[in-house]
Amino acid sequence: GAVVSQHPSRVICKSGTSVKIECRSLDFQATTMFWYRQFPKQSLMLMATSNEGSKATYEQGVEKDKFLINHASLTLSTLTVTSAHPEDSSFYICSASNAEKLFFGSGTQLSVL
Amino acid sequence: GENVEQHPSTLSVQEGDSAVIKCTYSDSASNYFPWYKQELGKRPQLIIDIRSNVGEKKDQRIAVTLNKTAKHFSLHITETQPEDSAVYFCAPGRGGATNKLIFGTGTLLAVQP
Repeated sequence: GAVVSQHPSRVICKSGTSVKIECRSLDFQATTMFWYRQFPKQSLMLMATSNEGSKATYEQGVEKDKFLINHASLTLSTLTVTSAHPEDSSFYICSASNAEKLFFGSGTQLSVL
Repeated sequence: GENVEQHPSTLSVQEGDSAVIKCTYSDSASNYFPWYKQELGKRPQLIIDIRSNVGEKKDQRIAVTLNKTAKHFSLHITETQPEDSAVYFCAPGRGGATNKLIFGTGTLLAVQP
């Protein structure tokens, strides 16, 4: 079946630094990818919809200048958390569609010290 | 924005009993109704889904029923097993399986052996 790879799986960084998370569709082309954030014991919250070759569409309340999304190819979308702070610590997960189904990445646990 | 609520938020059953989780949504344009199972620190896994032209779907011990008029759908698990213990999310959406999904509030299911 279709595979979505997400890296890194875990990252610890200092406050004020930027962190990049990659989401790749390994065996299919994904024109659309989605980025979610999940705090402990909470639901997945949609952050943005990423379309190949165009600007991402952010959900209400998500700062586009803080969470930079790039979808430069049909198999890769990246999320950069800029100037990370402890409150950005969360589980970030991407998903990609192959025109039939949606597949999730394995997630990235971000811890900002 | 759309509201997606689940009830109950926690559910504890004895092994072999049935479990039912209800999802209520507000977007009348939703036409795709999936249920996901998420274990701690892992990606969500699609366990069953239904589309708006069908009222019920069953896959072995798992079933989903849809009441589009009342805007709710339910997950039914029969003959529960300890490995069914996880957090379950509904995620109704428009445009089928490849469009953005809004996740419900989640239900923690604990199956006691």
